[in-house]
Amino acid sequence: DAGITQSPRHKVTETGTPVTLRCHQTENHRYMYWYRQDPGHGLRLIHYSYGVKDTDKGEVSDGYSVSRSKTEDFLLTLESATSSQTSVYFCAISQTVNQPQHFGDGTRLSIL
Amino acid sequence: AQSVAQPEDQVNVAEGNPLTVKCTYSVSGNPYLFWYVQYPNRGLQFLLKYITGDNLVKGSYGFEAEFNKSQTSFHLKKPSALVSDSALYFCAVNKPSGGSYIPTFGRGTSLIVHP
Repeated sequence: DAGITQSPRHKVTETGTPVTLRCHQTENHRYMYWYRQDPGHGLRLIHYSYGVKDTDKGEVSDGYSVSRSKTEDFLLTLESATSSQTSVYFCAISQTVNQPQHFGDGTRLSIL
Repeated sequence: AQSVAQPEDQVNVAEGNPLTVKCTYSVSGNPYLFWYVQYPNRGLQFLLKYITGDNLVKGSYGFEAEFNKSQTSFHLKKPSALVSDSALYFCAVNKPSGGSYIPTFGRGTSLIVHP
């Protein structure tokens, strides 16, 4: 399996609190992605990165921000969490935009 | 319109029978198409991809997919299903966006293989 680690794996927090999820890779892949998975919606892209300090929005970016200060780390931040952001979050990596993605095992986030 | 559609939420098949999981796409040009599988409490795993070349693509675990440009489809197939193939399957396409491509996933199809 590709070396991708997501942390934490589970988190419960309250509405209005900030939350940061971390994705760490050991593959030196250029592209990193954050998705959320919800029943009936499949996977939806939140943000992605195509290099250090290079990021762009996906289809559901509102309420989320990202940062990539090193090749191996991609952080997803919910500045003020809302209940609608309760979801399972997946990080993925790929060598190029048209190569297959490798996924982490997800972070289950519950916002009460 | 959705860039990629999986018209079936669930597919049921008996072990040993052939299976098909359907996917259609609606991006212009030559699409990059992928199939992934997800087991419970795990991330997605890559099965196969189509970029160019032969319309029949072979992938992992005995799966294959047929690219049909005229029908804009990329259906996943396997000649003989196993109970262990039961999982959630996702079709994905890279959608052109601002000079690059954005990966877009279908909603997923739950495959249930009955013993």
